[in-house]
Amino acid sequence: DADVTQTPRNRITKTGKRIMLECSQTKGHDRMYWYRQDPGLGLQLIYYSFDVKDINKGEISDGYSVSRQAQAKFSLSLESAIPNQTALYFCATSDPRASETQYFGPGTRLLVL
Amino acid sequence: QKEVEQDPGPLSVPEGAIVSLNCTYSNSAFQYFMWYRQYSRKGPELLMYTYSSGNKEDGRFTAQVDKSSKYISLFIRDSQPSDSATYLCATNAGGTSYGKLTFGQGTILTVHP
Repeated sequence: DADVTQTPRNRITKTGKRIMLECSQTKGHDRMYWYRQDPGLGLQLIYYSFDVKDINKGEISDGYSVSRQAQAKFSLSLESAIPNQTALYFCATSDPRASETQYFGPGTRLLVL
Repeated sequence: QKEVEQDPGPLSVPEGAIVSLNCTYSNSAFQYFMWYRQYSRKGPELLMYTYSSGNKEDGRFTAQVDKSSKYISLFIRDSQPSDSATYLCATNAGGTSYGKLTFGQGTILTVHP
């Protein structure tokens, strides 16, 4: 089984809808991250969490919120989706002693109409 | 201007060619330098990691960092079709921001037989 799983893998939604993307990991890492990937822009950090009680905004947090339900679970919410949030979303984890090595999930393709 | 700039390509080379992928960065505090490889419809995976200036070699891959010119390179010798992927450079300042990676835009590489 994959170490980092994301659900759903694909999602189509409408403008104004609330949507949640979920991430689970079995690597036992304290650190978890949410990124979005757009063509020509690379990966941009949305939120990151260094432990269950520590959540921080990344480069592009506006319009997003997160919840760290447990060490293994980190969810990303779009409170009111808009078309420019159409992107590929990745969750990642890392060991705090080696955080240059981040383990990414398979991604969620989100289309906001 | 992004803190890390990477030529997005795309780059197309014949099998066996030497490939050079490059990034520049602007933040002199960056001291950790990584290359991630992303196959189509997959999450990125760490390929190489270098701390501070210098070279690091791993098989056909060589990562090079020149902090004086703020330049990061990845060389691939004897390129193979299986090297076809998107390559992302990433940096980190360490300290309290250790783990908060800043990515380049990614370079799409195709190695044709």
